[in-house]
Amino acid sequence: GQQVMQIPQYQHVQEGEDFTTYCNSSTTLSNIQWYKQRPGGHPVFLIQLVKSGEVKKQKRLTFQFGEAKKNSSLHITATQTTDVGTYFCAGTSGNTPLVFGKGTRLSVIA
Amino acid sequence: DSGVTQTPKHLITATGQRVTLRCSPRSGDLSVYWYQQSLDQGLQFLIQYYNGEERAKGNILERFSAQQFPDLHSELNLSSLELGDSALYFCASSVVPGANTEAFFGQGTRLTVV
Repeated sequence: GQQVMQIPQYQHVQEGEDFTTYCNSSTTLSNIQWYKQRPGGHPVFLIQLVKSGEVKKQKRLTFQFGEAKKNSSLHITATQTTDVGTYFCAGTSGNTPLVFGKGTRLSVIA
Repeated sequence: DSGVTQTPKHLITATGQRVTLRCSPRSGDLSVYWYQQSLDQGLQFLIQYYNGEERAKGNILERFSAQQFPDLHSELNLSSLELGDSALYFCASSVVPGANTEAFFGQGTRLTVV
């Protein structure tokens, strides 16, 4: 079945440093979504990418969808303590439900 | 607030017991998903319902079952509980199932089996 791998599993950065998490799927995806889960919270939708090679920005966050629609990345510029949490990618193929990666847990040291 | 309501928030029960987790989706959402989140295991998809019908099944154990009622709320039943079933169980809802629809998650039910 479809699998979504995410690396790294953990990332510790100094405040102000950049951060990137990568997502790879075993199959071609229809779309990819990114979610953020704060400690003790629930996953919250950030963005969806649909087109091959698509790049979207949300303030300091940049999301990319690979040309082959099998990989994606989330880059955060100049991290802040409010960025702390676990970032999940989730993909679908056709009408399959969202398959989540295991997430990248980001710690930001002030 | 996502608009998805899950009850109870916390549940502590003994091995071998049976529990029911409840989820009310966002108003207007027809699709409900159940996910299990264990430590360092990400979000494991269990089962999906759409408008009362089972739509997709993931890694759901035979001891677990779910249903979606005519008013669109859903229940996840976990029976013959084992220590390893201790986890955070999330319900999510979306307008329709499938691609191009974001999922809204509830606050989760933390199940502890002792």
